[in-house]
Amino acid sequence: GENVEQHPSTLSVQEGDSAVIKCTYSDSASNYFPWYKQELGKRPQLIIDIRSNVGEKKDQRIAVTLNKTAKHFSLHITETQPEDSAVYFCALLRAGTYKYIFGTGTRLKVLA
Amino acid sequence: NAGVTQTPKFRVLKTGQSMTLLCAQDMNHEYMYWYRQDPGMGLRLIHYSVGEGTTAKGEVPDGYNVSRLKKQNFLLGLESAAPSQTSVYFCASKAGVLPQYFGPGTRLTVL
Repeated sequence: GENVEQHPSTLSVQEGDSAVIKCTYSDSASNYFPWYKQELGKRPQLIIDIRSNVGEKKDQRIAVTLNKTAKHFSLHITETQPEDSAVYFCALLRAGTYKYIFGTGTRLKVLA
Repeated sequence: NAGVTQTPKFRVLKTGQSMTLLCAQDMNHEYMYWYRQDPGMGLRLIHYSVGEGTTAKGEVPDGYNVSRLKKQNFLLGLESAAPSQTSVYFCASKAGVLPQYFGPGTRLTVL
């Protein structure tokens, strides 16, 4: 079935540096790609999403890029801050279904 | 507007016991989902519903049953709990092409 691989599993960056998390997928018909942030003990919260007809989307310090040919999408966080420390999950919506498939998560630590 | 709520927040069961987790949403969303979250494995879909009276299996449905008798509620049942069902359970809902919104989670421990 559809699979989403997320890398890296952990990432440590200095405050102010950039962080990049990448997800690859196999089903070329997948058409919606959200990213979630989950703080310790809290629920996942949507931070940004992108649809397959768009190559890039930005929201302040956060951006997502999608390469449909290579079947990968990435989350970019610039000027990282300690409050960015959390677990980040990529996901995709399987084409023709209502089922979301999630990556295994990336634990981001921003060091002050 | 409470969004998505889950009951209970925590529960400890003994092997073989049964229980029902309740998810409620007040946003008139058509779609509702139950996930489990285990360390290092992300979120895995158990069951989902595309409308009142409908349910469908996700990736890991074995050992669970669901019902959606009312549009605003989605119930997850464990008939005979097993230690492998120790997990954090999240409910989510959405409308149309809009994103999913998650509930606060239920932490279940099966001894």
